[in-house]
Amino acid sequence: EAGVVQSPRYKIIEKKQPVAFWCNPISGHNTLYWYLQNLGQGPELLIRYENEEAVDDSQLPKDRFSAERLKGVDSTLKIQPAELGDSAVYLCASSLTQGSSGANVLTFGAGSRLTVL
Amino acid sequence: GNSVTQMEGPVTLSEEAFLTINCTYTATGYPSLFWYVQYPGEGLQLLLKATKADDKGSNKGFEATYRKETTSFHLEKGSVQVSDSAVYFCALWSASKIIFGSGTRLSIRP
Repeated sequence: EAGVVQSPRYKIIEKKQPVAFWCNPISGHNTLYWYLQNLGQGPELLIRYENEEAVDDSQLPKDRFSAERLKGVDSTLKIQPAELGDSAVYLCASSLTQGSSGANVLTFGAGSRLTVL
Repeated sequence: GNSVTQMEGPVTLSEEAFLTINCTYTATGYPSLFWYVQYPGEGLQLLLKATKADDKGSNKGFEATYRKETTSFHLEKGSVQVSDSAVYFCALWSASKIIFGSGTRLSIRP
C-alpha cells in the first residue's frame, strides 16, 4: 500500500513568488494534517482536515497561506507571496479518526522542502 | 498549554552503547505519548507509543515507559547500531493533534 505522497520534494523560489504543495493521503484516511518543520525544530501543526472540512486552522497564517482539500482526499497548501522566513519543510500526514476513541496514529509523507531566496 | 521537552542533541555514541534520550511533558490529564523517528531523507515514522500511565511501548529494541509521577517518557535502547542514526521526536496527543518536542539528533559511530 502506498504511503502518504507529497510533491514536490524540493522547491526553490524567489521571495514574493507563489508556491503550492500537494498531498495524497493514505486511502481511507479521513483526517489530513499539514505540519511545518523549521530547521532543527519539531513539526508544528498548520491545519487539520476532517474529510473536506478544515476543523483546526488556528496556526495557519491566513494572510499568505491557504489550503484546500477537495472531495476529502487530496490536499494542496499554497503560499502567496512567499517570504524568506517560509523556508522550511512542509509535512503532510493522514490518519483514520473513528469517533472519540482517543489518539490517532499519524502517517507522514516525506515532506516538501522549500527554499525561498 | 500542553508541551514536550526533550534533551538537546546531538548525541553521539559508539555502536553497542546504551542509549537514553530524556523526554518530559506538560499536559492536562494523561495524554497518549509517542516517539517518532526521522531517518535521513525520509518522513517521520512512528517508533512506539503508550496510551496510559505505566504502559511500556517497545519496537526495534527501543523502549519507553509512561511515568505519570515524573511526567516522563524516556527512550532507551540497550545496544545501538549505526542504522539507528536519526532524529528522534518525543510527542503527545492533545486536542486531536500531535504536539512534538524539538527533536534529538543521534549519531552512532561504528
